[in-house]
Amino acid sequence: GENVEQHPSTLSVQEGDSAVIKCTYSDSASNYFPWYKQELGKRPQLIIDIRSNVGEKKDQRIAVTLNKTAKHFSLHITETQPEDSAVYFCAAGDNTNAGKSTFGDGTTLTVKP
Amino acid sequence: DTEVTQTPKHLVMGMTNKKSLKCEQHMGHRAMYWYKQKAKKPPELMFVYSYEKLSINESVPSRFSPECPNSSLLNLHLHALQPEDSALYLCASSPILAGGRHEQFFGPGTRLTVL
Repeated sequence: GENVEQHPSTLSVQEGDSAVIKCTYSDSASNYFPWYKQELGKRPQLIIDIRSNVGEKKDQRIAVTLNKTAKHFSLHITETQPEDSAVYFCAAGDNTNAGKSTFGDGTTLTVKP
Repeated sequence: DTEVTQTPKHLVMGMTNKKSLKCEQHMGHRAMYWYKQKAKKPPELMFVYSYEKLSINESVPSRFSPECPNSSLLNLHLHALQPEDSALYLCASSPILAGGRHEQFFGPGTRLTVL
């Protein structure tokens, strides 16, 4: 089955700095890579996703890059704000199993004002 | 309606009780999921329903019994649970789209405590 590794497990940055979270996956059949943000006591919410036919995708301060050859993908947050503080999960999935996604262990991001 | 709802929000049960968790969505999604999430851990997939049929059971103990009565509803029946089953139970739904984009919409979860 798919195995997703996520690093770092914790990340602390100063407000305004950039944050980068990296994930690797094992199954070359995976073709969908979402990122979820989960604030304390709340549900995970999708913040950005990328499909395997695209190398990079950007949405305002958030971007995701994908290297299919190396089987890794990264989340980049620029100009971080205190409200970006949360746990971020990457995931990898394929379209053969009704959208089954395997999650990474999560990164706790703290943005200090 | 673009939300997934779950009831109850909190549930405390004894090891001999029988209870059910409910999940509902009206976005027309034909895939629905149950996840278990322990503190400081990622969501752990339990079951996937596709077009109201169970398509994935991640070797979940039989004390958890899922049910999908129709395309909008998903239940999780609980019986003879153990204290280690205490966790946040999340429901999610997603459209089934050709091409592989399966954004999952999560409900707020049911916080389950087994005494």
